[in-house]
Amino acid sequence: GQQLNQSPQSMFIQEGEDVSMNCTSSSIFNTWLWYKQDPGEGPVLLIALYKAGELTSNGRLTAQFGITRKDSFLNISASIPSDVGIYFCAGLKTNTGNQFYFGTGTSLTVIP
Amino acid sequence: EAGVTQFPSHSVIEKGQTVTLRCDPISGHDNLYWYRRVMGKEIKFLLHFVKESKQDESGMPNNRFLAERTGGTYSTLKVQPAELEDSGVYFCASSHQGGELFFGEGSRLTVL
Repeated sequence: GQQLNQSPQSMFIQEGEDVSMNCTSSSIFNTWLWYKQDPGEGPVLLIALYKAGELTSNGRLTAQFGITRKDSFLNISASIPSDVGIYFCAGLKTNTGNQFYFGTGTSLTVIP
Repeated sequence: EAGVTQFPSHSVIEKGQTVTLRCDPISGHDNLYWYRRVMGKEIKFLLHFVKESKQDESGMPNNRFLAERTGGTYSTLKVQPAELEDSGVYFCASSHQGGELFFGEGSRLTVL
């Protein structure tokens, strides 16, 4: 299957700090998505990116669809305790039957 | 509108036993996906239904796994007989015409 390399694997940060995580692949994707999973819950969509170069914000979150279509990053500004969770990137290839491929996740811990 | 619902939320079985997981997608979503996450790893694709048809089942680990979606509504994923390495969280997700994926809360399977 396709491999999405997501980094870092985990982060421990102080409340108020900014966070940056990214996802890279050797393959081209048509859509990049960022999800957050809270403990005991399913992943919830944060941001969807549909065009190369697109930069989209959702509150304190900003994500970009890389120009090469092989990467994406997610930034969280001024982190708060409720940002704790696992963040997953996902890429969609529409030429392979609308299949989504996921990264390994970034576990974020925010220290108050 | 009800989200994607999964049952059971947690199942503990012994090696060799059978388990059936159920997923009710969001009403009207033709696309239904099964994923599995083993702790610390990526959310791995298992298979994709479009209505009642299997669009892609390339991620199914082996023939101990059987997924069905009779009538194109809810889906079941049966593992028979279960092995230790089948433990993990099984996520179901649905989407409308290749749009955003909406996840259920997952079914955690523990095989002893």
